[in-house]
Amino acid sequence: DTGVSQNPRHKITKRGQNVTFRCDPISEHNRLYWYRQTLGQGPEFLTYFQNEAQLEKSRLLSDRFSAERPKGSFSTLEIQRTEQGDSAMYLCASSLVSYNPTDTQYFGPGTRLTVL
Amino acid sequence: EDKVVQSPLSLVVHEGDTVTLNCSYEVTNFRSLLWYKQEKKAPTFLFMLTSSGIEKKSGRLSSILDKKELFSILNITATQTGDSAIYLCAPAQGGSEKLVFGKGTKLTVNP
Repeated sequence: DTGVSQNPRHKITKRGQNVTFRCDPISEHNRLYWYRQTLGQGPEFLTYFQNEAQLEKSRLLSDRFSAERPKGSFSTLEIQRTEQGDSAMYLCASSLVSYNPTDTQYFGPGTRLTVL
Repeated sequence: EDKVVQSPLSLVVHEGDTVTLNCSYEVTNFRSLLWYKQEKKAPTFLFMLTSSGIEKKSGRLSSILDKKELFSILNITATQTGDSAIYLCAPAQGGSEKLVFGKGTKLTVNP
């Protein structure tokens, strides 16, 4: 399968612990996005990369969140000192940027985080 | 502040009915508008709309964009139980192409 993959699919952790999620985008997609979705809401933008460069972070993203895409392929999202309010579905999406306005984002299955 | 409003938030219909889902938006640097279907997992892509007045169709689904009035509609004809899902509308902002999502419309199709 050549779609977007995310690991783990589910993560349960205790408050105060650090967690790390991984996203593998569609091969050759140069853009990678992270979104967060809570119950009853649409996904909310967190950050995005073009190749290995992180180009934008949401103002809502606290300093406890950090993301990397070291080689321009897979990406990791780390949350330090987790809080119960971090419980959500974390979605990754990728797209191929070109000069045509056809940059469809394709989503992975998500990582569901539960902070106890 | 960027805003996307979808209506209705919830809709219950019988198989065979036709439904219209609405999306109004106010986003800076608008580039395109995407529709996704979400069934207890990640959103799956339906349509991307970039030009006003041009209807896009895929089977029983169709969608159109009005860039002057800042809204889009998604139509589903002859609904089936498999159409039950949350439908998300998401304008994309130029440059980053980041998506600004609405809360979605939860569609339930009963047999």
